[in-house]
Amino acid sequence: QQQVKQSPQSLIVQKGGISIINCAYENTAFDYFPWYQQFPGKGPALLIAIRPDVSEKKEGRFTISFNKSAKQFSLHIMDSQPGDSATYFCAASSLPSNYQLIWGAGTKLIIKP
Amino acid sequence: DAGITQSPRHKVTETGTPVTLRCHQTENHRYMYWYRQDPGHGLRLIHYSYGVKDTDKGEVSDGYSVSRSKTEDFLLTLESATSSQTSVYFCAIRRGDGNTIYFGEGSWLTVV
Repeated sequence: QQQVKQSPQSLIVQKGGISIINCAYENTAFDYFPWYQQFPGKGPALLIAIRPDVSEKKEGRFTISFNKSAKQFSLHIMDSQPGDSATYFCAASSLPSNYQLIWGAGTKLIIKP
Repeated sequence: DAGITQSPRHKVTETGTPVTLRCHQTENHRYMYWYRQDPGHGLRLIHYSYGVKDTDKGEVSDGYSVSRSKTEDFLLTLESATSSQTSVYFCAIRRGDGNTIYFGEGSWLTVV
């Protein structure tokens, strides 16, 4: 029940296309859902995050869509660029135990020029 | 930049030797974490700390110990390194203003 399942494991998208990465969870107590972006040789960095009181959050070309009833959330990257090539991780946590994020396994995204 | 410094950044060590990784932060955050990252497993929590001398186990704590004698330093020790502990180790902090966790640059450890 603590797992966060992320798919796909890897994704190749043409430049200018839409990249979509999906995550599913079981624990209904989760109330914070971040996405992290990681470039080779670097630590993960927070990209965007959402709480379940909204169904969508947009920051530039990055959008999180959240479906509370389905217990799913997804990351959409619009107009994907080669510089977006990275590994993306979804995660989830719940108050008050928000010291611990439960992580998806990651998606390696490659944007082809 | 969350002011996190990990050392060493790269280390090769022999099986059975002790290894200590250091995480240093400059912003006085209460919560600090050690994760390991392996292909196919994402990020897995080893240990975390919620204050000086206050630590607890994560999901993969076997074979690891931690210490936090000062707010700014969180040490991860492999008492007797094994090949299965070859990994990338990330230190992280949680800012007090919310859930956001910030990671260091990582320490690449190879146990031969």
